[in-house]
Amino acid sequence: EAGVVQSPRYKIIEKKQPVAFWCNPISGHNTLYWYLQNLGQGPELLIRYENEEAVDDSQLPKDRFSAERLKGVDSTLKIQPAELGDSAVYLCASSSLGQGAGELFFGEGSRLTVL
Amino acid sequence: QKEVEQDPGPLSVPEGAIVSLNCTYSNSAFQYFMWYRQYSRKGPELLMYTYSSGNKEDGRFTAQVDKSSKYISLFIRDSQPSDSATYLCAMTLYAGGTSYGKLTFGQGTILTVHP
Repeated sequence: EAGVVQSPRYKIIEKKQPVAFWCNPISGHNTLYWYLQNLGQGPELLIRYENEEAVDDSQLPKDRFSAERLKGVDSTLKIQPAELGDSAVYLCASSSLGQGAGELFFGEGSRLTVL
Repeated sequence: QKEVEQDPGPLSVPEGAIVSLNCTYSNSAFQYFMWYRQYSRKGPELLMYTYSSGNKEDGRFTAQVDKSSKYISLFIRDSQPSDSATYLCAMTLYAGGTSYGKLTFGQGTILTVHP
């Protein structure tokens, strides 16, 4: 069974440029998450989707970040414009409601460097 | 003060040693406790999952939760070089509702097991 797939794995951009990350969750997983991991820190939740509905986006900086999950499968996270402080790893995860409360399956992450 | 505190290490041990990793937390409402393992440039993967206080063993790994002290531990017996990774503790409030999948992570402990 394929795991959570993310792309691109690495992205280097100039500040003020836009950037987008894509995530394909595990087949059948209706819940999808975007987490942010800064260097030397644990991941922090940005947004959670149940199917195509964003049920928790309280931690998403909405002035520059946006996300969508069309058709309740793949998801895209966008930053526009990017700032130096956005340099981090953006992790996508998925889970099924039939699993335990903390059993998330993470992708390998998209590592963003803003110059 | 962070909700979850974890000593970042780094921790270096010889092969075969017993490793003890710990986290403390301040929110007494946390009920589900996890340990994730993260290899370099990879996403976190679930290692252990426990509910409320008590012990759980899985092979060389034992997770302990002491809710009265707000303290969780992960023990690794007969440590191997392949155990070298960052270990993240994580916890969440409830099994459902808005807290589902909203994990609060420690900052991670970097472990190196040398041959």
